Amino acid sequence: AQRVTQPEKLLSVFKGAPVELKCNYSYSGSPELFWYVQYSRQRLQLLLRHISRESIKGFTADLNKGETSFHLKKPFAQEEDSAMYYCALSGRANSGYSTLTFGKGTMLLVSP
Amino acid sequence: ETGVTQSPTHLIKTRGQQVTLRCSSQSGHNTVSWYQQALGQGPQFIFQYYREEENGRGNFPPRFSGLQFPNYSSELNVNALELDDSALYLCASSKGATASYEQYFGPGTRLTVT
Repeated sequence: AQRVTQPEKLLSVFKGAPVELKCNYSYSGSPELFWYVQYSRQRLQLLLRHISRESIKGFTADLNKGETSFHLKKPFAQEEDSAMYYCALSGRANSGYSTLTFGKGTMLLVSP
Repeated sequence: ETGVTQSPTHLIKTRGQQVTLRCSSQSGHNTVSWYQQALGQGPQFIFQYYREEENGRGNFPPRFSGLQFPNYSSELNVNALELDDSALYLCASSKGATASYEQYFGPGTRLTVT
């Protein structure tokens, strides 16, 4: 079974502070990991995926297979980063197609 | 390029009734996935349709069913509604069924069962 755990419901930081949103996963194969973000009154959208290894809006995430983690990091938080962040895992279903399993999400609040 | 749209935005149903939710996929996309998001939870996968066939299903009972049409739009049907079915229902479309294809989400339909 595949599972994604985001231990923090809420993370509150001041502008300019470093941010780390934690994500741990459980999956027996080789997973693909994603971070999705939902800004206020907007729809859920992809922020980044581990396979692309790129930085989006200053955020990075490294897949650590030994610790089964995919934490999202940003060195200096901005107020516009305030949003709900979901970590998601894609594993191959029996049919051979992939499904997304989401964590419960972490609300990031960046105060001025 | 038109994004994913869902209808209706909100609806209220009574326990035991049936409901149909609709999703129009983004232009050029042939895959639609449906998710249920209960309050305070992340989206939970219901099923996926690829080229009009169901090709993946999550842990939901058979009273959750769906369709995909030749234009790749999709419907989610829920029979014998229960109070626990109250949730935000999201659909997402993509160019293909594997994880290499980004899923684009709609705004969701808020279903309340009383």
